[in-house]
Amino acid sequence: DTEVTQTPKHLVMGMTNKKSLKCEQHMGHRAMYWYKQKAKKPPELMFVYSYEKLSINESVPSRFSPECPNSSLLNLHLHALQPEDSALYLCASSQVPTANYEQYFGPGTRLTVT
Amino acid sequence: SQQGEEDPQALSIQEGENATMNCSYKTSINNLQWYRQNSGRGLVHLILIRSNEREKHSGRLRVTLDTSKKSSSLLITASRAADTASYFCATDRGRGGADGLTFGKGTHLIIQP
Repeated sequence: DTEVTQTPKHLVMGMTNKKSLKCEQHMGHRAMYWYKQKAKKPPELMFVYSYEKLSINESVPSRFSPECPNSSLLNLHLHALQPEDSALYLCASSQVPTANYEQYFGPGTRLTVT
Repeated sequence: SQQGEEDPQALSIQEGENATMNCSYKTSINNLQWYRQNSGRGLVHLILIRSNEREKHSGRLRVTLDTSKKSSSLLITASRAADTASYFCATDRGRGGADGLTFGKGTHLIIQP
């Protein structure tokens, strides 16, 4: 199974809502990532989890809170978002937590903040 | 800031023709990867070339890397309509340990039937 799954596919939330994005992989990968992609732009790295511990936070606002409950699961908790946070949120995983291995991406969650 | 810059930003060719996309980057890297993205969905890994490699092939794909010029090219031969997608180069940031990818701006490729 070489698939990374993400739920939900689409999410519309108000600025006062709390919601969570979920990502799952069963490839035994020890690194998981969150990327944000605005329309017609490249993905931008948000967080890197290495062996279930947060290794890199690319100065992401605290209204985005990542969580890695186990080696297969990655969550992104959202709270008090702004309309400019509307984007495609991509989860990825790789065998080991370096940039020297290919990353497997999920289909993304398209988030709209109203 | 973006590490990679793709050229051209958009490319439209006829089916069966070859498509060439270029990528430039700014800092030292350990490897460079190319990814494809269809219609704003997930990215698919195409090929990884390490800094000590100059050329790599995978099916109809040919990637070159010139570390002296900090540039790479992706050639897709005998293009098909299904190759219509956005193509991104991605690099590490040349540091060890846990790290993510830095993507270039991408080339949007359209294959005309």
